[in-house]
Amino acid sequence: GNSVTQMEGPVTLSEEAFLTINCTYTATGYPSLFWYVQYPGEGLQLLLKATKADDKGSNKGFEATYRKETTSFHLEKGSVQVSDSAVYFCALSASQGAQKLVFGQGTRLTINP
Amino acid sequence: EPEVTQTPSHQVTQMGQEVILRCVPISNHLYFYWYRQILGQKVEFLVSFYNNEISEKSEIFDDQFSVERPDGSNFTLKIRSTKLEDSAMYFCASNLDSFTDYGYTFGSGTRLTVV
Repeated sequence: GNSVTQMEGPVTLSEEAFLTINCTYTATGYPSLFWYVQYPGEGLQLLLKATKADDKGSNKGFEATYRKETTSFHLEKGSVQVSDSAVYFCALSASQGAQKLVFGQGTRLTINP
Repeated sequence: EPEVTQTPSHQVTQMGQEVILRCVPISNHLYFYWYRQILGQKVEFLVSFYNNEISEKSEIFDDQFSVERPDGSNFTLKIRSTKLEDSAMYFCASNLDSFTDYGYTFGSGTRLTVV
């Protein structure tokens, strides 16, 4: 079945550091890929998405590129801020069917000033 | 920006009791979902609902669970006889249609605590 694997957390960085959170997936067909963010005490918010190979999703300085050859969708940001502290979830949606999301285990990110 | 609204934000219930979690999806969305997140674990799919019927459900969604869209706006998840292991954050989501380009919108969740 479809699955998503994220790098183990937690991740702690200093402000203005470069961020990478790794995400790889296993899926049949051509899934769509997503990054969701969960701030403390809040629900899931869509951060960015990509629907086909080589697409780059971007939002709020975050980027991720859909790499079919390596089945990856790594999240990057060039200079993190304290306000980026949250849990980040990589997810995929199958190309057909009811479009349920399959999530990775989440990566807790803490940015220190 | 349109929102998915969930109530209550937190519910405490005794083991064996029935609970109903409520959601108001975005008004023109057609696909509705429930997910849950046990504390510290990944978000898990429970059920999807379209055209007034379940379109897919996970193995977690056993006979103790049911969903309903009783009117044109609400979407509910009922747990008939709660167990301790049902304690989790439950998220409702809606989607305009089956094309992923539109993406999901999630509610802020209901934290269910079974004691």
